[in-house]
Amino acid sequence: KQEVTQIPAALSVPEGENLVLNCSFTDSAIYNLQWFRQDPGKGLTSLLLIQSSQREQTSGRLNASLDKSSGRSTLYIAASQPGDSATYLCAVGAGRRALTFGSGTRLQVQP
Amino acid sequence: KAGVTQTPRYLIKTRGQQVTLSCSPISGHRSVSWYQQTPGQGLQFLFEYFSETQRNKGNFPGRFSGRQFSNSRSEMNVSTLELGDSALYLCASSVTGDTGELFFGEGSRLTVL
Repeated sequence: KQEVTQIPAALSVPEGENLVLNCSFTDSAIYNLQWFRQDPGKGLTSLLLIQSSQREQTSGRLNASLDKSSGRSTLYIAASQPGDSATYLCAVGAGRRALTFGSGTRLQVQP
Repeated sequence: KAGVTQTPRYLIKTRGQQVTLSCSPISGHRSVSWYQQTPGQGLQFLFEYFSETQRNKGNFPGRFSGRQFSNSRSEMNVSTLELGDSALYLCASSVTGDTGELFFGEGSRLTVL
């Protein structure tokens, strides 16, 4: 059974810092990995999708990497801003057309 | 291009009642999946539909059911509501549901009293 772990569970940083969020998964036989952002009481916003054949994806200040062999992904956020404050969720697609989610990292960026 | 639309956004029910939630996917997306989010269990997969057929189901009791219509809109139903069914129910759509990107709606927040 696929298990997804996100560390740390919570993170508070001052504005302008570069930061890394971690995601690990137990079964390396995945199709893809997707990073989401969730604001309080809201749905999920897709940030980046990495297919299993890819090593990284970039969008603006965000960069996500994938290392299937070690079962790890990282989300790098450059020059963090208060508007980046949210919960970040990592989800693994491993067939069966269902995602397995981590429990998220709650990020707070202090002005 | 409109996103995934879920209705209603909020609802309150009492134990034993039933509830129906609706989801309209992004235009052109034929796969709709449903997830339950609770503080204790996080996000858990309920089921996935494609072309009106349920292709996969998560580990939930039979009280949870769903369907998809020919226009790809989907509904999920929960019968005989229990307190533990209180959750945010999220719908996601994708083009085929296989390896593509999932796009989520804002969710339907269900409170069971």
